[in-house]
Amino acid sequence: AQTVTQSQPEMSVQEAETVTLSCTYDTSESDYYLFWYKQPPSRQMILVIRQEAYKQQNATENRFSVNFQKAAKSFSLKISDSQLGDAAMYFCAYTLETSGSRLTFGEGTQLTVNP
Amino acid sequence: KAGVTQTPRYLIKTRGQQVTLSCSPISGHRSVSWYQQTPGQGLQFLFEYFSETQRNKGNFPGRFSGRQFSNSRSEMNVSTLELGDSALYLCASSWGLAAYNEQFFGPGTRLTVL
Repeated sequence: AQTVTQSQPEMSVQEAETVTLSCTYDTSESDYYLFWYKQPPSRQMILVIRQEAYKQQNATENRFSVNFQKAAKSFSLKISDSQLGDAAMYFCAYTLETSGSRLTFGEGTQLTVNP
Repeated sequence: KAGVTQTPRYLIKTRGQQVTLSCSPISGHRSVSWYQQTPGQGLQFLFEYFSETQRNKGNFPGRFSGRQFSNSRSEMNVSTLELGDSALYLCASSWGLAAYNEQFFGPGTRLTVL
């Protein structure tokens, strides 16, 4: 079965500090895309960052970056200079090249940012 | 550009009833996907529509159905509601079917079944 595991149900970080959220996935496919989504209390899911599995270079988006280890099937998210607005539930997810837009999500990590 | 809209935002129904939820994608987007979010099961894929055709279906009973109209708007229907159907139902739209397309989510419809 295709699965995504986020082993940290909750994480906290001090404002301006750095935090890393973990994610591992399991798929036998070789072509896929990995995502981190953020869901704030408003419940609106927002894409944070995307990584193509065929790219070795780790994706970055401003303060957000990933550590993609394809052989280990690991896809962690690093948030630098954490801000109060980063507080949210973060979901790791992937889509397979063969399954269209179908996202498989992890259980989520609730991130708290302390002032 | 307007985002994905979902109506209604909140809904309360009783067991045995049926419900229809609506999703209007971002203008120009032709793919619409539906997800169910519950505390116990997390986010689970329901189905995906593209050009009025169901292209992908998750592991849900036949009580869950959907459709897409020629303007790409989509509806999902749940018949014979059960308590376990209480959830946040999220709709997402994207330009096409390809896996790399970014999906944009709506605010969700919160369904409560009493």
